[in-house]
Parts: sequence; structure tokens; C-alpha cells
Amino acid sequence: AQSVTQLDSHVSVSEGTPVLLRCNYSSSYSPSLFWYVQHPNKGLQLLLKYTSAATLVKGINGFEAEFKKSETSFHLTKPSAHMSDAAEYFCVAGGSQGNLIFGKGTKLSVKP
Amino acid sequence: NAGVMQNPRHLVRRRGQEARLRCSPMKGHSHVYWYRQLPEEGLKFMVYLQKENIIDESGMPKERFSAEFPKEGPSILRIQQVVRGDSAAYFCASSPRQTGTETQYFGPGTRLLVL
Repeated sequence: AQSVTQLDSHVSVSEGTPVLLRCNYSSSYSPSLFWYVQHPNKGLQLLLKYTSAATLVKGINGFEAEFKKSETSFHLTKPSAHMSDAAEYFCVAGGSQGNLIFGKGTKLSVKP
Repeated sequence: NAGVMQNPRHLVRRRGQEARLRCSPMKGHSHVYWYRQLPEEGLKFMVYLQKENIIDESGMPKERFSAEFPKEGPSILRIQQVVRGDSAAYFCASSPRQTGTETQYFGPGTRLLVL
């Protein structure tokens, strides 16, 4: 069965410092992987997705993620955090039936 | 091109009442997915529909919950005889095709509160 594990439920960084949100997946095949962001009381917005074309994926708002098959990881990074990045981030795997499998989410706080 | 629309955005029901949540997919999308988000948790898949067909309802509770996506009109998620444990945010997503790589576009969600 597929599963997604986000290792940190809460990450706090200072504005201007790097962001690292960790994600590991478990799957019997190479899945499609996504990162979505959810701002308070809002819907989910796609940040980026991996579909086996390139292991380093660039997304919106300066985020990127690297797919590492040997580590079964898909960590999300950003060189310099902005106050507007404060939100909840979900690592997601594409299921074999077309549905999405969500991690539990990581809340990112950005301190001024 | 309007995004995925859901209404109502907020819904309050008393125990035992019915809740109807509506979802209009993006134009040109014929695949609809419903997810439930309980407080402090990620989203959990409930059901996947195409026009007039339920493709996968493996995530939906067997009782009180039903979903449809008619030929005309929005997709409806219906919860009968609601209980307090049904309080959650319900999100709808749509995509133009069903493949493992297809991006799903999410609506703003309906937040259901059961008193």
C-alpha cells in the first residue's frame, strides 16, 4: 500500500532563512508526487509535481523539490523564507486509482 | 476559466439533519474527487466520480454518505442523519483525465459544523 510520511508536523524559520520540509513516501512503484499548500481557511494550491521527467522539480513562489529514489524522499525547499509562506504544506502521492494520498501536513511558521 | 467551485462554503447542521455539499468542476473536467479533512489531519480520499458513474468509493463510509455526478449539474456529496463526528472540511477536486500523474485542482472547501 502507498503511504506518505511528513516527518515534521511544525517547522519554524526566520524570514530570509532557508526552508526544508521533509517528506518520505512508500510505494511499490515510482509514484507521481506533489506538494500542495493550504493557507488558513482556504483551498489547496499546487506548488509543484514530480512525474519522472526530472528529479529536481521547480515550482511556484521559489519552491523546489528533489526526488531521491534511493532515499524514497521528496523534500521541499526554498532558499529564503517570506512571511507570506506561512501556511500548511502537504506532500501527496498519486494513487494507482487516480486518487491522491496525503501526508498529515507540516505547518510552516515564519518569524520576522 | 473559473476554478473548482464549492458551495456552501460553510454549513451548520444539527444532529440528525441532512447535509448537501455541491461541487462544480473546472470547465472541461469530467473527473471529480471528494476528500475530507478532519481537524489537525491531512485530507483523506472519499470518492471518485466521472459523469453519471462512481468509479471508486473505497474511502466513503458505507452508511449515511452518498455521492453523485449527474450528466447535468454539479457533483453532490450527501450526508444523511449527520453526527458530530461528521464535522470537517470537505474538499472537491477535478481533473480532465484520470491518470496517476494528472494534477487535481481543488475547490475552496465546505466547512461542515454539526451541533
